[in-house]
Amino acid sequence: NAGVTQTPKFQVLKTGQSMTLQCAQDMNHNSMYWYRQDPGMGLRLIYYSASEGTTDKGEVPNGYNVSRLNKREFSLRLESAAPSQTSVYFCASLYLGGNTEAFFGQGTRLTVV
Amino acid sequence: GIQVEQSPPDLILQEGANSTLRCNFSDSVNNLQWFHQNPWGQLINLFYIPSGTKQNGRLSATTVATERYSLLYISSSQTTDSGVYFCAGPIYGNKLVFGAGTILRVKS
Repeated sequence: NAGVTQTPKFQVLKTGQSMTLQCAQDMNHNSMYWYRQDPGMGLRLIYYSASEGTTDKGEVPNGYNVSRLNKREFSLRLESAAPSQTSVYFCASLYLGGNTEAFFGQGTRLTVV
Repeated sequence: GIQVEQSPPDLILQEGANSTLRCNFSDSVNNLQWFHQNPWGQLINLFYIPSGTKQNGRLSATTVATERYSLLYISSSQTTDSGVYFCAGPIYGNKLVFGAGTILRVKS
């Protein structure tokens, strides 16, 4: 059981470049989440998908888009990267409506120069 | 929205000491977890504990849902316990709500 898998683990972008962070879970969870964590800070919710086919904004959605591709996969896209988006990005999943224990991926460390 | 407050914000321990971390909620909980973020940044699940008490080695957790708080106990602390401890919950509007974390430093 792989749990929650994020790719890539590290990425360096130039300002203005675009990229997509991938997240996949194999636990049959219905809900998935993207968080960012800046140095010395807690986790801030970017976007989430409570169920397949739905997505909603979190606290800090500006500059990001998401796609819930299917039940397993939830991607986060930066269309035009900015230095302010330098952060560590975490994907999480859980099953809403039952045992709601959440599991996290290992994180993607993104640097925008 | 629901607020999750963690205390203390920072804690420095000598190796071998015990500690208690607290998580308070502004409303009733339907899900409560404790995570440890290690110095490499990984978020490790410690406990899923909506109510009651659980123990895992030197760590234990208690949630009193009716009084809206949870406690994480670390006994005989080790340097490997260093990192940030987060509590999370409840689910509010389908969102998982996190506390700001407690930074723990264990000195040898």
